[in-house]
Amino acid sequence: AQSVTQPDIHITVSEGASLELRCNYSYGATPYLFWYVQSPGQGLQLLLKYFSGDTLVQGIKGFEAEFKRSQSSFNLRKPSVHWSDAAEYFCAVGAEAGTALIFGKGTTLSVSS
Amino acid sequence: NAGVTQTPKFQVLKTGQSMTLQCAQDMNHNSMYWYRQDPGMGLRLIYYSASEGTTDKGEVPNGYNVSRLNKREFSLRLESAAPSQTSVYFCASIGQGARNYGYTFGSGTRLTIV
Repeated sequence: AQSVTQPDIHITVSEGASLELRCNYSYGATPYLFWYVQSPGQGLQLLLKYFSGDTLVQGIKGFEAEFKRSQSSFNLRKPSVHWSDAAEYFCAVGAEAGTALIFGKGTTLSVSS
Repeated sequence: NAGVTQTPKFQVLKTGQSMTLQCAQDMNHNSMYWYRQDPGMGLRLIYYSASEGTTDKGEVPNGYNVSRLNKREFSLRLESAAPSQTSVYFCASIGQGARNYGYTFGSGTRLTIV
């Protein structure tokens, strides 16, 4: 069965600094991988997803993620963080199209001025 | 606007009361899901419906029932609410095919059991 680990519960980054949120997955085949963002009191919004092809995926709000099969990782990056990026970020994995996603427990991002 | 609509947004119940959380999607999706979100626990799957007429248990189904009323609507019922069911509940649906794979979430229902 697939699983997702987000090693960092909480990260604080200075505004304008770069960001990397870690995600490791466990799955035997090539998975479908997702990053979602949840602002306080809001629902979850899809940032980006990977299902095949180019391992560097571009998403909304200036985020990108890179799929590294050898490391079973799908880390989320942003070159310059804005205060509005403060939120909770969830990594998720899916085994095949149409099936339930498995979520990590999330990483809370705080942005300091 | 196309998407997933959940009602109500907020609810306070007394222990032992019952209620139904409503979810509707207008994207013609086959699969729909109910999750609960608790601090430090991430999202946990309660029930899902892979298609109209079918429902299956997820990770934490105890204390809940669901109904897939039609292709659009998937409701979650608490028959006898308990304080442990205080949580934020999200409904989601999945698009068909690899390119459309991924959840569209509703905005959530914040439920407090006192």
